[in-house]
Amino acid sequence: ELKVEQNPLFLSMQEGKNYTIYCNYSTTSDRLYWYRQDPGKSLESLFVLLSNGAVKQEGRLMASLDTKARLSTLHITAAVHDLSATYFCAVDKVAGNMLTFGGGTRLMVKP
Amino acid sequence: DTAVSQTPKYLVTQMGNDKSIKCEQNLGHDTMYWYKQDSKKFLKIMFSYNNKELIINETVPNRFSPKSPDKAHLNLHINSLELGDSAVYFCASSYRTGGPGYGYTFGSGTRLTVV
Repeated sequence: ELKVEQNPLFLSMQEGKNYTIYCNYSTTSDRLYWYRQDPGKSLESLFVLLSNGAVKQEGRLMASLDTKARLSTLHITAAVHDLSATYFCAVDKVAGNMLTFGGGTRLMVKP
Repeated sequence: DTAVSQTPKYLVTQMGNDKSIKCEQNLGHDTMYWYKQDSKKFLKIMFSYNNKELIINETVPNRFSPKSPDKAHLNLHINSLELGDSAVYFCASSYRTGGPGYGYTFGSGTRLTVV
């Protein structure tokens, strides 16, 4: 059974600081996804990582994938309040089959 | 011009009632899903349909019955609602392996409250 674990589950940080969210998964998988969810809203796709060593960046967020270690990271640079949300990583063992989600990381960025 | 649309957005109902949630996608995807998000925000797959065929049926009580009349629509009917069914239900769609694109698109969710 594919398992996906995120840590930390809760992260409170100050504006301007850097931090990393970690996502471990238990078996070989095709793709790693990062989503953002604002309170009461849907899941917004941030990144799709397709291969070992993949790195993608969008604004203050950068995601990377190490398939050998079965680890993905989401790095936040110089956090701003607008980044406050819950971030999920998810994996599909077979592309387009189904997503298995991590438990989510609730990020709060304080002024 | 919503890609994956769910109705209703909110649903408040009494225990024992039967209710349905509808989902439609206009992305041309061939696979649709129902996910449940519980009060702790944990997301878990319930069902998946590929071209109207049920391909994933997780350990969900048989009070939950999905139906896909065509590949653009997936409905969820719930019988004899219980308090523990209160959650947010998300519909999603994607291309199955080998499709022209990748990624999953989620609907806006249906917040079900059973009282």
